[in-house]
Amino acid sequence: SQQGEEDPQALSIQEGENATMNCSYKTSINNLQWYRQNSGRGLVHLILIRSNEREKHSGRLRVTLDTSKKSSSLLITASRAADTASYFCATGSQGGSEKLVFGKGTKLTVNP
Amino acid sequence: GAVVSQHPSRVICKSGTSVKIECRSLDFQATTMFWYRQFPKQSLMLMATSNEGSKATYEQGVEKDKFLINHASLTLSTLTVTSAHPEDSSFYICSAWDSWETNYGYTFGSGTRLTVV
Repeated sequence: SQQGEEDPQALSIQEGENATMNCSYKTSINNLQWYRQNSGRGLVHLILIRSNEREKHSGRLRVTLDTSKKSSSLLITASRAADTASYFCATGSQGGSEKLVFGKGTKLTVNP
Repeated sequence: GAVVSQHPSRVICKSGTSVKIECRSLDFQATTMFWYRQFPKQSLMLMATSNEGSKATYEQGVEKDKFLINHASLTLSTLTVTSAHPEDSSFYICSAWDSWETNYGYTFGSGTRLTVV
């Protein structure tokens, strides 16, 4: 079953703008991860945030986690055309070799 | 970093035939591998979890006799789609868990586009 729900489903912005994607989930989690998928390709891990963390940065990426609201956001600053892809959140409940539950994804288009 | 190789990347097969997809961890031992299915413009749906040397655990609604999973070694898991039909056409992605990776242990293959004609 799908745990995460991303919004918006699709986002189109101009190069240089910031892109914000949100993810909500339903059950308790150990961690939440964000992935990127280029069309017809596999997934690339972007960032992991644990349930005891509130914010994490990696380059132009900023992820927040609000466990009280069961939600997370992914911010991509100064977007580039190469950021065009689908972005998925996935939750893990244990932190080990467990199955991840993926959200429906946000299709981001960055126009040059 | 960890690399997972998935082959083939694309396959077209006739209805009724079987197709095998391989997922290999190249530089680490993967005690656990996961197989996902993704329909166009949709998210990944977990099909099964395979642990080396034991039977795979299938998600509800996934036919284990149709989607045969073998995880005979710590570096190789295979998914065989038996008696494939057009509705099995999809994008299949594997993921491997690296138990030595303390921060993040999941690495995904590049996916296999299966088309059944």
